[in-house]
Amino acid sequence: DAKTTQPTSMDCAEGRAANLPCNHSTISGNEYVYWYRQIHSQGPQYIIHGLKNNETNEMASLIITEDRKSSTLILPHATLRDTAVYYCIVRLRNRDDKIIFGKGTRLHILP
Amino acid sequence: EPEVTQTPSHQVTQMGQEVILRCVPISNHLYFYWYRQILGQKVEFLVSFYNNEISEKSEIFDDQFSVERPDGSNFTLKIRSTKLEDSAMYFCASSEAPWANTEAFFGQGTRLTVV
Repeated sequence: DAKTTQPTSMDCAEGRAANLPCNHSTISGNEYVYWYRQIHSQGPQYIIHGLKNNETNEMASLIITEDRKSSTLILPHATLRDTAVYYCIVRLRNRDDKIIFGKGTRLHILP
Repeated sequence: EPEVTQTPSHQVTQMGQEVILRCVPISNHLYFYWYRQILGQKVEFLVSFYNNEISEKSEIFDDQFSVERPDGSNFTLKIRSTKLEDSAMYFCASSEAPWANTEAFFGQGTRLTVV
């Protein structure tokens, strides 16, 4: 099973920042935190990943707590196209290929 | 931006028939994957493939399933004798390196309907 816990669903107003939390209290020192999203039955789309430092790219920011037991994905200015299921995934580095998707958070962006 | 291409987008087949789902991974990628998603359920791992052999497979990937990289560009998933419960979206993915080292790119999926 997935090693992460996420809320089932969240709402966010269009134009506001969407903050999606993820708990991964059993994360080990060499495990990365990855975020993917799936827009309406399309293939999952990579968003961002990090180990312990905060990360930012053109899509989002990832804030990882100092103890690494939780993280938050931030979409700074959510649009209607950001409505999707967001998956927080924890994976070891240099290990086997399998990745496990949980149920994720269904994010609704409200106009 | 490079992308993973899957064909067909939708396949309808009769129960008991064989189907082949096709994928063209990104050209410099070395690791390939198949996932499936039954309607309303989670994305499930089926199999990973590297260096012309299966790296790992799930319990879903039984003897009815096989994968192949026949010509250096295509990556196929074959289901020998389809069952009604094989109806799902099937996603192909590829990456330069194993999952945790780099991002993986997914195709748009093939919707398989078994009737």
